[in-house]
Amino acid sequence: AQSVAQPEDQVNVAEGNPLTVKCTYSVSGNPYLFWYVQYPNRGLQFLLKYITGDNLVKGSYGFEAEFNKSQTSFHLKKPSALVSDSALYFCAVRDENYGQNFVFGPGTRLSVLP
Amino acid sequence: KAGVTQTPRYLIKTRGQQVTLSCSPISGHRSVSWYQQTPGQGLQFLFEYFSETQRNKGNFPGRFSGRQFSNSRSEMNVSTLELGDSALYLCASSLRRTGAYEQYFGPGTRLTVT
Repeated sequence: AQSVAQPEDQVNVAEGNPLTVKCTYSVSGNPYLFWYVQYPNRGLQFLLKYITGDNLVKGSYGFEAEFNKSQTSFHLKKPSALVSDSALYFCAVRDENYGQNFVFGPGTRLSVLP
Repeated sequence: KAGVTQTPRYLIKTRGQQVTLSCSPISGHRSVSWYQQTPGQGLQFLFEYFSETQRNKGNFPGRFSGRQFSNSRSEMNVSTLELGDSALYLCASSLRRTGAYEQYFGPGTRLTVT
């Protein structure tokens, strides 16, 4: 069975500082990993994904994520946080096996303080 | 390309009534998934449709049903509404139903049951 954990309900960071939102996963096969962001009263927006290859993937709005197979982690990072990055962030996993649906983590609320 | 659209955006219903929500996927996307989002339970997978057939179903009672039309548009229906059905219902479409294809989400339908 697939599962995703986001160990922090809330992350606070000062504007201009680097940010990290953590995600760990569990799948039976090779994972496809995704990050989404949700702003208030909006649907989820796709940020980036890991399929295979380079462990560091770059996405929208200056975000990047690092895949670590040994630690089964896929942490989201940004070198310099903006107040406008404040939102709810979801990590999701899909097993490479046929017919598996997406499984989303519980979400991490990021607050960037001016 | 137009994004995923959902109608209506807001809905207020009374306990015991039924409701139908509509989703139009991105043009060319044939996989449509539905999710329920609540503060307590997070994002929960309802079901997925592909080529007018339900391919996956989450752990929801039979009061929740859906269908997909030949143009890939999808509807979900909730009968005999309960207070606990109050939630944001999100529709997501994807180019393919397997592999590393990300899902694109609509803005959601906010359902309030009184």
